[in-house]
Amino acid sequence: EIVMTQSPATLSVSPGERATLSCRASQSVSSNLAWYQQKPGQAPRLLIYGASTRATGIPARFSGSGSGTEFTLTISSLQSEDFAVYYCQQYNNWPTFGQGTKLEIK
Amino acid sequence: EVQLVESGGGLVQPGGSLRLSCAASGFTFSSYSMNWVRQAPGKGLEWVSYISSSSSTIYYADSVKGRFTISRDNAKNSLYLQMNSLRDEDTAVYYCARDKVVVAWGQGTLVTVSS
Repeated sequence: EIVMTQSPATLSVSPGERATLSCRASQSVSSNLAWYQQKPGQAPRLLIYGASTRATGIPARFSGSGSGTEFTLTISSLQSEDFAVYYCQQYNNWPTFGQGTKLEIK
Repeated sequence: EVQLVESGGGLVQPGGSLRLSCAASGFTFSSYSMNWVRQAPGKGLEWVSYISSSSSTIYYADSVKGRFTISRDNAKNSLYLQMNSLRDEDTAVYYCARDKVVVAWGQGTLVTVSS
């Protein structure tokens, strides 16, 4: 099983600032990496797939990068609705999730 | 509109059984692999089980292998999860999810295992 490790566990950022979230895989997953956003009481929402492709309807302030074992999700200018928990997920083989990064208001 | 609606959750004693169902609509169900993903209270997401579009390939997380059985009925546009020998640690919201890159999620059904 591929282990996904996200950092930091909690990130405190002010609205309008940039947020950078990291995800590391225990072995290469090529570009088979997705990012999800989850708000309390809701199902996750797909943001990014293929490491860098935005899903339908996702604002341009969300961007993904990386390949192999190191990945980054960047939110360029935080809006109030962006404060949530973010998960990375590899789907190179049996899918696994990272433990999540909570993005909170500073 | 793509819809996934789970049902069958509830309170069950340790060692008991439950069968979850997921009714799909708004897309060609038989063309997609399907999955169950769970989330324990206050915890992260865990992939539980995967079934290919034709049911020819099935995977389980080690945590549920031998206790849970995934199945589907393409004629009824439905996905199922038979859960036996339930444990406290199986308490979670169970989501039905389409494909390995999940655009479509259900709303989730809560399974509580407790005496």
